[in-house]
Amino acid sequence: GQNIDQPTEMTATEGAIVQINCTYQTSGFNGLFWYQQHAGEAPTFLSYNVLDGLEEKGRFSSFLSRSKGYSYLLLKELQMKDSASYLCAVRSLVVSSGSARQLTFGSGTQLTVLP
Amino acid sequence: DAGVIQSPRHEVTEMGQEVTLRCKPISGHNSLFWYRQTMMRGLELLIYFNNNVPIDDSGMPEDRFSAKMPNASFSTLKIQPSEPRDSAVYFCASSLGSSGSEQFFGPGTRLTVL
Repeated sequence: GQNIDQPTEMTATEGAIVQINCTYQTSGFNGLFWYQQHAGEAPTFLSYNVLDGLEEKGRFSSFLSRSKGYSYLLLKELQMKDSASYLCAVRSLVVSSGSARQLTFGSGTQLTVLP
Repeated sequence: DAGVIQSPRHEVTEMGQEVTLRCKPISGHNSLFWYRQTMMRGLELLIYFNNNVPIDDSGMPEDRFSAKMPNASFSTLKIQPSEPRDSAVYFCASSLGSSGSEQFFGPGTRLTVL
């Protein structure tokens, strides 16, 4: 089975930096994703990590430590439009189907950016 | 590119009725996923197709739910008979190739069962 934990809610101020943590337990780990979901909309892809280390993409960065089962999403220079739910998702191999892959989502962290 | 297309966007039905949700994946994508999202349970994977073949349907709640993918450009998720607890937003997503790095989500179908 898989278990993904992330904080339910976070609040930060416009212009600040916020770090959203995600811990996971899974077999057949095959990558970790971060998605952003605004209220009433579909999730959209933010980042992907499969090797240890930091991946930077503009104001957003994502870090992975496979040995610790840990990832974080770092958001810099926060803007009001960053208020959304941030979903951590772990991809694992579906062993019974060879190379097929499955994505399991955490419950999401609701980030509120205050002026 | 139109992205993943889902229909209908909203569906209100009465308990016991049959509901069919439709999805057109992004052209060229060979993996298709059906998810359900509720406040209580978050985003849950229901079923996953690779090259039109169902790979993992362990997330399908019960026999009332069924999904088909008759060709690479169309999939359906059917609930028969529907129950109030099926009320949720149902997302379809597609991805490309064996690396499957990024899933593109459709706008979702908001289902309300009265």
